[in-house]
Amino acid sequence: GESVGLHLPTLSVQEGDNSIINCAYSNSASDYFIWYKQESGKGPQFIIDIRSNMDKRQGQRVTVLLNKTVKHLSLQIAATQPGDSAVYFCAEIWGGSEKLVFGKGTKLTVNP
Amino acid sequence: NAGVTQTPKFRVLKTGQSMTLLCAQDMNHEYMYWYRQDPGMGLRLIHYSVGEGTTAKGEVPDGYNVSRLKKQNFLLGLESAAPSQTSVYFCASSDTGGNYGYTFGSGTRLTVV
Repeated sequence: GESVGLHLPTLSVQEGDNSIINCAYSNSASDYFIWYKQESGKGPQFIIDIRSNMDKRQGQRVTVLLNKTVKHLSLQIAATQPGDSAVYFCAEIWGGSEKLVFGKGTKLTVNP
Repeated sequence: NAGVTQTPKFRVLKTGQSMTLLCAQDMNHEYMYWYRQDPGMGLRLIHYSVGEGTTAKGEVPDGYNVSRLKKQNFLLGLESAAPSQTSVYFCASSDTGGNYGYTFGSGTRLTVV
């Protein structure tokens, strides 16, 4: 079936390094993508989104890249901090759908 | 602005007992969702609602029922709890069905023994 997935279940980085979290999607009709951050014991929180008519969007320390040719989405976190340690989920939705489809998540650990 | 509030935050049930999880949102959102989250499984949709008085099945609806009698509330019921329903449950709401993302609650951790 069509789903959103992630290349790596875990990622460990040093504080101050840049992090890249990847996501692959299979539905070419998907037109909106979101990255969520979930800290331990909390609900997912919206980080950044991107629509299919864009290939890059920047936020504060975060950048999302969308490559529609290979159906790939990535989240880049600059100067990763201990507070960035969390599970990161990508999610997609396509026109006419009433619900997001979530990937399984990547656990990011930032080492001091 | 409280956003999405879930009650209770924790609960332990015995097999066969029933309970209701309450989700309340104060953003006047039309869409509401119930997910369960298990280790390594990500978020799986149980049921959702596209407006007051409506409900629809998600990916894993068996063993659960829902009601949306008021726009701001979405109730998730377990009629006869089973150990397989041990999970963390998240409620979410959206104004547009996901096109600007969801707002999630902080979760309910349910253990069925």
